[in-house]
Amino acid sequence: EVQLVESGGGLVKPGGSLRLSCATSGFTFSSQSMNWVRQAPGRGLEWVSSISSRSSYRHYADSVKGRFTISRDNAENSLYLQMNSLRAEDTAVYYCASTLPGGASFDYWGQGTLVTVSS
Amino acid sequence: SYVLTQPPSVSVAPGQTARITCGGNNIGTKSVHWYQQKPGQAPVVVVYDDSGRPSGIPERFSGSNSGNTATLTISRVEAGDEADYYCQMWDNSSDQVVFGGGTKLTVL
Repeated sequence: EVQLVESGGGLVKPGGSLRLSCATSGFTFSSQSMNWVRQAPGRGLEWVSSISSRSSYRHYADSVKGRFTISRDNAENSLYLQMNSLRAEDTAVYYCASTLPGGASFDYWGQGTLVTVSS
Repeated sequence: SYVLTQPPSVSVAPGQTARITCGGNNIGTKSVHWYQQKPGQAPVVVVYDDSGRPSGIPERFSGSNSGNTATLTISRVEAGDEADYYCQMWDNSSDQVVFGGGTKLTVL
């Protein structure tokens, strides 16, 4: 069974930092691209970042470029998102999602972790 | 940056057909994916690559993509189909993923 479990969310002050993790199992993590998608309360889905299977390519939304860093550890089957200089508008549920080899859709999703940026 | 436009809401009676559109400049030349999200749950892909259907997704869900509009069609709509639906694609020109704003499907 495919499982993606996010952790690391919480309450942080504006300007602060947080590191999200996504632990995976049930599929060949090292062969799949991985993604972060967020959803602000009552709002739609917003793509945050993607990383290729061997970390050769990393892409970011304009809204987080220069502040967030995506990374992965294929030995640990884990995905990460380092978030710095957090702003109130970064408040959202953050989902990790996988992309099957050769595909482009987000095929499996975790249940999300809530990040709240507030003073 | 590329913009995907969806109607905020679509309403349909049970047993009827729902069509949810996703507009974008020459979207027919791109691969579009559709997600269903029910309240409090993570999204689920219901159509990939314009018209592919993942295993476990009912045949009632289908997709098409041509010109400036991609369409998710749900036939014989059931109460359990009530959810938010999002289209998504990869924008080659900016190397970014784009989501539509989402459409709330209401089953009357």
